[in-house]
Amino acid sequence: DIQMTQSPSSVSASVGDRVTITCRASQGIRTYLNWYQQKPGKAPRFLIYGASSLQSGVPSRFSGSGSGTDFTLTISSLQPEDFATYYCQQSYITPTFGPGTKVEIK
Amino acid sequence: QLHLVQSGAEVKEPGASVKVSCKASGYSFTTNYLHWVRQVPEKGLQWMGLINPSDGSTMYAQNFQDRVTMTRDTSTSTVYMDLTRLRSEDTAVYYCARDRAMSTSSGLLDSWGQGTLVTVSS
Repeated sequence: DIQMTQSPSSVSASVGDRVTITCRASQGIRTYLNWYQQKPGKAPRFLIYGASSLQSGVPSRFSGSGSGTDFTLTISSLQPEDFATYYCQQSYITPTFGPGTKVEIK
Repeated sequence: QLHLVQSGAEVKEPGASVKVSCKASGYSFTTNYLHWVRQVPEKGLQWMGLINPSDGSTMYAQNFQDRVTMTRDTSTSTVYMDLTRLRSEDTAVYYCARDRAMSTSSGLLDSWGQGTLVTVSS
């Protein structure tokens, strides 16, 4: 299995802040990297695929980048509805997820 | 509108089995693979396997290979996940999720069911 790690595990930020989350794969996965957002008590929501492509309906303040083993998710200007936990997931081989990064209100 | 609606919460004793259903609507059921992912409370997400609703073929994660069975009923557009020999560590929310790709598995999970809490306790 490919192991996924994320940093930080949590981040405190204010509305309007720029937030960056890092995801690392234990081996190269090209750009087979996806991001999900999950709010408490809800199912995950699909945000970004192929490392940088936004799923339909996802606001443009979300962006992704990276290839190989290192990837980032950036929220350019944090909005109240963005406080959630974010998971990366590789789809290079059988899917595995990162442990999540919780974005909390400062 | 695309919907995946799962069956309700279950409480099972250790050693028992559980069968969770996921009814799809709003798209052509046989076109997209369906995956099962579980989430242990306050923990991360773990992929369990997938089923091709078109022919019923499956692929399971190694961790669940000997305990999970995924099936489908095309007449009701429903997939099922059966997990046997339950233990306390199987207490989790179980999700079905649709694969974004058509007629193949891409691993991109673009729509999710609401989740089913399975509690294993004596």
